[in-house]
Amino acid sequence: SQKIEQNSEALNIQEGKTATLTCNYTNYSPAYLQWYRQDPGRGPVFLLLIRENEKEKRKERLKVTFDTTLKQSLFHITASQPADSATYLCALVTPNDYKLSFGAGTTVTVRA
Amino acid sequence: EAQVTQNPRYLITVTGKKLTVTCSQNMNHEYMSWYRQDPGLGLRQIYYSMNVEVTDKGDVPEGYKVSRKEKRNFPLILESPSPNQTSLYFCASSFAGRTEAFFGQGTRLTVV
Repeated sequence: SQKIEQNSEALNIQEGKTATLTCNYTNYSPAYLQWYRQDPGRGPVFLLLIRENEKEKRKERLKVTFDTTLKQSLFHITASQPADSATYLCALVTPNDYKLSFGAGTTVTVRA
Repeated sequence: EAQVTQNPRYLITVTGKKLTVTCSQNMNHEYMSWYRQDPGLGLRQIYYSMNVEVTDKGDVPEGYKVSRKEKRNFPLILESPSPNQTSLYFCASSFAGRTEAFFGQGTRLTVV
């Protein structure tokens, strides 16, 4: 069956450190992979999209890698700040139906 | 302002009483979808629509109906709600998955 697994439910880090989140998938051949941020009680907000033929994407303090051989994406938040505390969701887009399928998310808490 | 608007934000209803949650987007997106979010299960797709009059089942469609008579609107209908449909619901829209998805503010539904 198809699965999207994010490495852990919760990640606690010190301000200024780099947070690294993992997204692994099985039985998918995604065209795109996206990362979203979700704050409690709010809808997810788009952060980054990476295509299957791209290895890495950056946006300000965020970096995403995509390895279709390992079936894995890594999401990095560098120089983390307390305002980065949120749940981060990995999502795959399958090419035929453009369906967006989500992992359960990793909740990041950045301590001042 | 680009947005997806859901109504109502909060709803408490009784078992069996039909209800509709509305969703409207102002970005001329072809693709719209409904998700439910439950603790530990993440976002699961209920139904999606690739364009007007084109809808299809997602991962958890049982107990739900949708319609897409106009491009901007995609209502979610619960004909006979049951307590297991108590959840946080999100509507989303995008340009067919090739770009970011925009999510509504969410509708917290409680069925007693």
